[in-house]
Amino acid sequence: NAGVTQTPKFRILKIGQSMTLQCAQDMNHNYMYWYRQDPGMGLKLIYYSVGAGITDKGEVPNGYNVSRSTTEDFPLRLELAAPSQTSVYFCASSELAGGETQYFGPGTRLLVL
Amino acid sequence: SQELEQSPQSLIVQEGKNLTINCTSSKTLYGLYWYKQKYGEGLIFLMMLQKGGEEKSHEKITAKLDEKKQQSSLHITASQPSHAGIYLCGARIRGSTLGRLYFGRGTQLTVWP
Repeated sequence: NAGVTQTPKFRILKIGQSMTLQCAQDMNHNYMYWYRQDPGMGLKLIYYSVGAGITDKGEVPNGYNVSRSTTEDFPLRLELAAPSQTSVYFCASSELAGGETQYFGPGTRLLVL
Repeated sequence: SQELEQSPQSLIVQEGKNLTINCTSSKTLYGLYWYKQKYGEGLIFLMMLQKGGEEKSHEKITAKLDEKKQQSSLHITASQPSHAGIYLCGARIRGSTLGRLYFGRGTQLTVWP
């Protein structure tokens, strides 16, 4: 099993550009999450999904969109990139919500200039 | 506000020394997770604690959960350079989004030979 995979590993965007961060898991997990990690800060939840077709906002959803058309994939979309979105983005998944370990991908480093 | 406070922010220890990292929650804990992160990599799951008084060990790393104090400690015995990295505590707390983990800001551990 590959676990949780993310692409790209690193990206530089210009202000106003759009991009999609890809996340996939092969563990058949129902729950998937997107977090962002800023320097010296903990991870903040952007969006999460409890299954295919079901998504909801987390703590910091502004400027992002998600979709969950399959159990495996949970892409994160940035429509109009802003410098404030410079961060490291982590995707995670878990089988259930409670008492279950969340497994993280390697992260995507995004720089918006 | 920061739901989880970690201390210290950084630690520099000599190889072979013991060390402790603390994680304190401002709200009721329903599960406490310890992760390790190396630069450019994702979060590696270390241990999960769910019950008050619970203690788990893996190799030279021991984690304990004090439910009354809403606190967890991570103790490393006879530290090695391979222990270097950022240690993050994550927790499910009362009132949190389904399955969502709140994270501390992390403790940067440096082990010098």
